[in-house]
Amino acid sequence: GESVGLHLPTLSVQEGDNSIINCAYSNSASDYFIWYKQESGKGPQFIIDIRSNMDKRQGQRVTVLLNKTVKHLSLQIAATQPGDSAVYFCAEQNSGYALNFGKGTSLLVTP
Amino acid sequence: DAGVIQSPRHEVTEMGQEVTLRCKPISGHNSLFWYRQTMMRGLELLIYFNNNVPIDDSGMPEDRFSAKMPNASFSTLKIQPSEPRDSAVYFCASRQTGYDGYTFGSGTRLTVV
Repeated sequence: GESVGLHLPTLSVQEGDNSIINCAYSNSASDYFIWYKQESGKGPQFIIDIRSNMDKRQGQRVTVLLNKTVKHLSLQIAATQPGDSAVYFCAEQNSGYALNFGKGTSLLVTP
Repeated sequence: DAGVIQSPRHEVTEMGQEVTLRCKPISGHNSLFWYRQTMMRGLELLIYFNNNVPIDDSGMPEDRFSAKMPNASFSTLKIQPSEPRDSAVYFCASRQTGYDGYTFGSGTRLTVV
């Protein structure tokens, strides 16, 4: 059959609403996690990180939650703006090694 | 801070030709990474250098791919000979320590025809 490209999950939100993007990671030994934002034609851009000894970290309009029990990471964006439209990647790392990236979620902010 | 600088931004080449991608990491960053991004496979780690030494090249797809880091301020990724399936966006990233986020370059979009 015909091969198809990677279909990214898409989250559509209205401007001003809060967004929650979820990620399941695979390695229970991972001790460092990062969320990246990638806009079309650009490289991934660091948003926020969290170490495994924490379960929540807040930045400007963004919050990352880590649940190690179920190996789940989430990114919350408050008061989502059109400029937040992008693909968001979670990434995990074990003991200072290299980051392993998830497949990404496309966020579309509608006016 | 100019960030991670990659060149060229776009490269179109014919199958069988040699392609060299270049990267200048952020000054003071000790680790450098080459990633490849495609729609089919997402972001894949190709190779990882720490203090100019290759640590893990298990992601390099074939012997046609090679990477060097002759000094702390420069790295190359070479494909010889190139094939159409090598078409992708190639990113270089650097970081200062093991628990810093990477800073990515703007990428090189490679098209092999």
